[in-house]
Amino acid sequence: DTGVSQDPRHKITKRGQNVTFRCDPISEHNRLYWYRQTLGQGPEFLTYFQNEAQLEKSRLLSDRFSAERPKGSFSTLEIQRTEQGDSAMYLCASSPGTALGANVLTFGAGSRLTVL
Amino acid sequence: GDSVTQMEGPVTLSEEAFLTINCTYTATGYPSLFWYVQYPGEGLQLLLKATKADDKGSNKGFEATYRKETTSFHLEKGSVQVSDSAVYFCALITYFGNEKLTFGTGTRLTIIP
Repeated sequence: DTGVSQDPRHKITKRGQNVTFRCDPISEHNRLYWYRQTLGQGPEFLTYFQNEAQLEKSRLLSDRFSAERPKGSFSTLEIQRTEQGDSAMYLCASSPGTALGANVLTFGAGSRLTVL
Repeated sequence: GDSVTQMEGPVTLSEEAFLTINCTYTATGYPSLFWYVQYPGEGLQLLLKATKADDKGSNKGFEATYRKETTSFHLEKGSVQVSDSAVYFCALITYFGNEKLTFGTGTRLTIIP
């Protein structure tokens, strides 16, 4: 297993378009997280899944954002009607939960979104 | 709610200097504490962690001790190298009701030869 994979790595879109990001977690990890990181800031939590169940959503996740993890494996994050303020790095992370001690998250390289 | 406060950067040091990056936290419950590092053009990587009071996390010459009495987890290294230039994030996770990682704003470290 090569870690957490995210696709695409870079996306440039025009305001108002829809975009979708995909995350493939480490195969034995049952938890999957989405974060957003803007320049000069720390990552901000968006949402997380335990298997296919979405357990928490941040208030940052407006109605234009939707995340799914249909079979408890890969996940998608869709942003509808993009706005310039959505420009950021979208990070995915996975973890095994607390079964093996502290819940350590492993991050992917991120998907950078630029909205023109 | 949970929060992490890091010393503001950027921090610029000469090679072989001593490094301290301060981190304090506020948490509901008993958190685990982490330092993550982000090298230029790369994703976040776990640097070290500590799960209970007085634990010392260490990796690659970096150390941090979980101080419950001062709610701190300061990162230290005795002799920094140019290759340590990166952004460092302090983070915590608690286990009451949710298990999301809360990050500080990050400290950019530049080491000059």
